[in-house]
Amino acid sequence: DAGITQSPRHKVTETGTPVTLRCHQTENHRYMYWYRQDPGHGLRLIHYSYGVKDTDKGEVSDGYSVSRSKTEDFLLTLESATSSQTSVYFCAISGDRMYGYTFGSGTRLTVV
Amino acid sequence: GEDVEQSLFLSVREGDSSVINCTYTDSSSTYLYWYKQEPGAGLQLLTYIFSNMDMKQDQRLTVLLNKKDKHLSLRIADTQTGDSAIYFCAERTGGKLIFGQGTELSVKP
Repeated sequence: DAGITQSPRHKVTETGTPVTLRCHQTENHRYMYWYRQDPGHGLRLIHYSYGVKDTDKGEVSDGYSVSRSKTEDFLLTLESATSSQTSVYFCAISGDRMYGYTFGSGTRLTVV
Repeated sequence: GEDVEQSLFLSVREGDSSVINCTYTDSSSTYLYWYKQEPGAGLQLLTYIFSNMDMKQDQRLTVLLNKKDKHLSLRIADTQTGDSAIYFCAERTGGKLIFGQGTELSVKP
């Protein structure tokens, strides 16, 4: 979707290194979310934000931190990457709670 | 706690109807959604239903909601090979979307 972009699209990193994934939106939406997708688990919420500098934890937040210093950017940081964090990460945005979320194209992260 | 369950696989013949089922646990959910994910792509919103509705129809898609049993279904009429994808149901609860595991729909010609 043109209104939301994730970078990088693919990344391979080594165990123990920090990694930052970026989500950028041009829709001026208030709510932003980070999910991870793993086979058999669907999408699980990592962290979300309901405004600049306002963030909260989701169901699988251990080992992850987020920051939102501007409306348009929501960063997800893996403080010290582990192999269990190998996954596909999706960012989503929402401006109106009725209409659900708009998803980015995802970042495939491999931790070796 | 919150939980959304779906069967993992469904296989149909082209031209048949597909029915994908979902159960959820939060009776206070206000909206329920169906998303479609094609290979290598993000999730695309297909349709949604408000919790005070029993049914919603949108072209080939019909959503049925049984609030008593907390059961949601998505029917795709005249299923085409282009409908092959993973379908996720989701409930809105506490301001967040909780997703099921996804149902992989395979359409055979």
